[in-house]
Amino acid sequence: AQTVTQSQPEMSVQEAETVTLSCTYDTSENNYYLFWYKQPPSRQMILVIRQEAYKQQNATENRFSVNFQKAAKSFSLKISDSQLGDTAMYFCAFMKRFNNDMRFGAGTRLTVKP
Amino acid sequence: GAGVSQSPSNKVTEKGKDVELRCDPISGHTALYWYRQSLGQGLEFLIYFQGNSAPDKSGLPSDRFSAERTGGSVSTLTIQRTQQEDSAVYLCASSLPGQSYGYTFGSGTRLTVV
Repeated sequence: AQTVTQSQPEMSVQEAETVTLSCTYDTSENNYYLFWYKQPPSRQMILVIRQEAYKQQNATENRFSVNFQKAAKSFSLKISDSQLGDTAMYFCAFMKRFNNDMRFGAGTRLTVKP
Repeated sequence: GAGVSQSPSNKVTEKGKDVELRCDPISGHTALYWYRQSLGQGLEFLIYFQGNSAPDKSGLPSDRFSAERTGGSVSTLTIQRTQQEDSAVYLCASSLPGQSYGYTFGSGTRLTVV
């Protein structure tokens, strides 16, 4: 079974600064996908960024980037130039390739302070 | 529709009553998922439908929980004889089969059992 661990229940960062959220996972699979989802108070889960395990290059989406360390089974999210609208719960998720079963971590509550 | 629609948005029910939660997935998405999110917690997998295949019910917490999907589209999650510990946000998501770009989530139903 796959497990996803987010060891930081809560984090805070000053507006315009950079913050990194941690995620580790456990799997025996070689082909899989990793995701970061954002859940603002509206409850809507929003896909932030996605990484294919067979690609070594770290994914980036504007101010969001990941540090994917496959051997260490680590998948951290870096948010640069933090904005007040980044305040939300962030969930790390794992999905095996060719399998729609996605497993989530417990989440990290991020607060961006003005 | 343009997104995943869930209804009702909020539901308050008395302990012991039955409730039905509805999910209308994105048109053409054959995969549909139900998750439960207790206060401040991560997402707990409940059940997964894929086309006409038998659903994966491995996450349902008890026999009071059941779900069906009619015509491969709309799904209903039913909780019988509700208990206070059933209070949570119930999230529905849909995707295309083998979709490696993750799920599209609805905004959830917040269930409160009093």
